[in-house]
Amino acid sequence: LAKTTQPISMDSYEGQEVNITCSHNNIATNDYITWYQQFPSQGPRFIIQGYKTKVTNEVASLFIPADRKSSTLSLPRVSLSDTAVYYCLVGDVKTSYDKVIFGPGTSLSVIP
Amino acid sequence: NAGVTQTPKFQVLKTGQSMTLQCAQDMNHEYMSWYRQDPGMGLRLIHYSVGAGITDQGEVPNGYNVSRSTTEDFPLRLLSAAPSQTSVYFCASSYSGLGLRGAGELFFGEGSRLTVL
Repeated sequence: LAKTTQPISMDSYEGQEVNITCSHNNIATNDYITWYQQFPSQGPRFIIQGYKTKVTNEVASLFIPADRKSSTLSLPRVSLSDTAVYYCLVGDVKTSYDKVIFGPGTSLSVIP
Repeated sequence: NAGVTQTPKFQVLKTGQSMTLQCAQDMNHEYMSWYRQDPGMGLRLIHYSVGAGITDQGEVPNGYNVSRSTTEDFPLRLLSAAPSQTSVYFCASSYSGLGLRGAGELFFGEGSRLTVL
């Protein structure tokens, strides 16, 4: 199983760009990198997924270096509503999530 | 389009009682799963299913049973509730199969908060 390591918590001021880095040294060839966001009292929500290089959508960007041993979720100009827990997952999620582990995630607090 | 629907949202049980947490999805997803989330921890996989009639154990299956008689439904049964099963339970679903459909995205329900006294 590809183990991930990410900071337990981060603080940021409104309007700043936030980068959350996830380490996954033993990522396998078929593994994708997927990020989820969870607000209090809600289920996690898919943010972004990538395999290599850079992926961007309307919510975030995901940067993956060539060796794929880490990845960085970038949230542009955060607002108070971005306060949430962010989970980095690594695994062959296109076939099944049974081997994918949700760690404790990164608790992001956005400060006014 | 309702997505993933869980019932009940809240439940209080006494030790030894049994109950079923219901989960239904209307997206024709093959993969369904149950997670539990305890304070300060991530989600831990209890059981999962890759299609009707097929179930398997996840990381923390003890004390829970599942069945998958239809594509839409995946109930989680607590046979004899224990205080250690006090948690928030999430059901999730996804396409599966070699990335031919979708991005490998898990869709979660709103959660069921269970307290066992």
